[in-house]
Amino acid sequence: EAQVTQNPRYLITVTGKKLTVTCSQNMNHEYMSWYRQDPGLGLRQIYYSMNVEVTDKGDVPEGYKVSRKEKRNFPLILESPSPNQTSLYFCASSLSAGEGYTFGSGTRLTVV
Amino acid sequence: AQRVTQPEKLLSVFKGAPVELKCNYSYSGSPELFWYVQYSRQRLQLLLRHISRESIKGFTADLNKGETSFHLKKPFAQEEDSAMYYCAGGTSYGKLTFGQGTILTVHP
Repeated sequence: EAQVTQNPRYLITVTGKKLTVTCSQNMNHEYMSWYRQDPGLGLRQIYYSMNVEVTDKGDVPEGYKVSRKEKRNFPLILESPSPNQTSLYFCASSLSAGEGYTFGSGTRLTVV
Repeated sequence: AQRVTQPEKLLSVFKGAPVELKCNYSYSGSPELFWYVQYSRQRLQLLLRHISRESIKGFTADLNKGETSFHLKKPFAQEEDSAMYYCAGGTSYGKLTFGQGTILTVHP
């Protein structure tokens, strides 16, 4: 089944403890992206990637890192999480910019 | 700066009534435009792309470059259409900006 898989689905962590949210797609898509969804603010793009080793900042990149060493994987790294990063995170992939993104199921992160 | 605006946070209609969800954009150049839908407790799903001019689940969206709008329409709303709808604009290199979303409620 063609899909975008994120892990974990739920995560509670403490301030300052580094964490990684993994994202993998099995559709051989070129583009991948991370978003956060917050009440009243909608979805905001954190980082996106056009291909392996090519990444760029979205609208809210502060406090996040990404890497694209392989085409199928696009992990999101929070080196020092803070409570304002408590959010619902979505990974997505797309064959091309005009095709539209396919989204994962989301990761609900709580930083205490 | 790229900007997508959905002026209505909430929209309520009765079953069988027409529905229009508004979306306006501000972009330099020609953006890729999309509508996404998020049903309760589910992931976002792509509903429409402006380049395909298709109709999905009875919904259509017309790009009006003069008014910089991409409104989503359905002539007869169904209860199962109740969801959060997001308009989004993208660039050719993958940057995507979402509007704040409109919660559509279709009453029986």
